[in-house]
Amino acid sequence: QQQVKQSPQSLIVQKGGISIINCAYENTAFDYFPWYQQFPGKGPALLIAIRPDVSEKKEGRFTISFNKSAKQFSLHIMDSQPGDSATYFCAASTLEYGNKLVFGAGTILRVKS
Amino acid sequence: SAVISQKPSRDICQRGTSLTIQCQVDSQVTMMFWYRQQPGQSLTLIATANQGSEATYESGFVIDKFPISRPNLTFSTLTVSNMSPEDSSIYLCSVAPLATGELFFGEGSRLTVL
Repeated sequence: QQQVKQSPQSLIVQKGGISIINCAYENTAFDYFPWYQQFPGKGPALLIAIRPDVSEKKEGRFTISFNKSAKQFSLHIMDSQPGDSATYFCAASTLEYGNKLVFGAGTILRVKS
Repeated sequence: SAVISQKPSRDICQRGTSLTIQCQVDSQVTMMFWYRQQPGQSLTLIATANQGSEATYESGFVIDKFPISRPNLTFSTLTVSNMSPEDSSIYLCSVAPLATGELFFGEGSRLTVL
């Protein structure tokens, strides 16, 4: 119930294309869903996050879509750039469990120029 | 946000030895966590570092192997004890300084155990 399942494991996108990464969860108590971006040798950096009271959140080229009934959420990167090449992690947490984040397995994104 | 400094950034250690990782935050934070990221893997929570009391460990992690100190609201240490090659990982300190629960990470400490 504490798992967050992330797909795909890796993704190759052409420059200017749309990158889409999907996550699914089981625990309906989860109430916070962030996405993290990690470059090699660096710690994960918070990219964008959403709470279940909205179905979509957009920040620049990054959009989270959230489907509460399906227990799924996804990250869309519009106009993908080579600089977006990184590992992306979805995560979820709930106040019930002290806001501890449970992470997905990660997606390695490579944007080809 | 919060600025998190970890030391050491990387180290190569011998089997059977112990290493202490330090985490310093530029502001007082209530919630501080330690995560492990094994090579090419996701992040797994080791424990919550509680100020003034014993750390709270997740399933599969024990205090004897990963003792944690939290003497104040800006500092914590994680010790990896009696290391084996399986302990080779990145260890990450993270904090949630805001009421929103957003979690920020340090750069991590990359340990290689020979």
